[in-house]
Amino acid sequence: RKEVEQDPGPFNVPEGATVAFNCTYSNSASQSFFWYRQDCRKEPKLLMSVYSSGNEDGRFTAQLNRASQYISLLIRDSKLSDSATYLCAVESSYKLIFGSGTRLLVRP
Amino acid sequence: DTGVSQDPRHKITKRGQNVTFRCDPISEHNRLYWYRQTLGQGPEFLTYFQNEAQLEKSRLLSDRFSAERPKGSFSTLEIQRTEQGDSAMYLCASSGGLGGEQFFGPGTRLTVL
Repeated sequence: RKEVEQDPGPFNVPEGATVAFNCTYSNSASQSFFWYRQDCRKEPKLLMSVYSSGNEDGRFTAQLNRASQYISLLIRDSKLSDSATYLCAVESSYKLIFGSGTRLLVRP
Repeated sequence: DTGVSQDPRHKITKRGQNVTFRCDPISEHNRLYWYRQTLGQGPEFLTYFQNEAQLEKSRLLSDRFSAERPKGSFSTLEIQRTEQGDSAMYLCASSGGLGGEQFFGPGTRLTVL
């Protein structure tokens, strides 16, 4: 079993839709969690850190469920520009363990 | 631009040659990481430094790979006797805050022919 698992998608949604991604992790000792966005052939860009209490940044909401060992990302009112791959990352002794990413396609 | 920079951005080499990549982290960051990413996968951890000390190396980092950060600032990653399986995007990241957020450079795309 991989340490961090994501549904690869693609999620194909119309503009304006709400879409949610989940990511499960196996190391219960992990303390820090992140969502990154990666465009084709570009580097990952930090989208959000994920806090125990959940956090929101505009249209994006991230939540952590320690009991079930998963993190989630909710995108509301999807824009064409949200089309990208979304990577979840779990910190383990300073290094990040990434999932394989979930691809999102937002269509007009 | 005060982000992480990497050089070169692209490298094409023949099997068996040695290559070296450079990473300049965000200036106030004391931790520097190297990752490798292949198509359809997330980045995989290779090694990391805290200041000039190399604190962890992945099992992915065979003895053909070596990394240095001699003055605790920039870092180099060298691959000796390259193999076709080394073809990947090599990403550098740095961090320095309490939250542990890592910021990535644009990567070096290596193609081994």
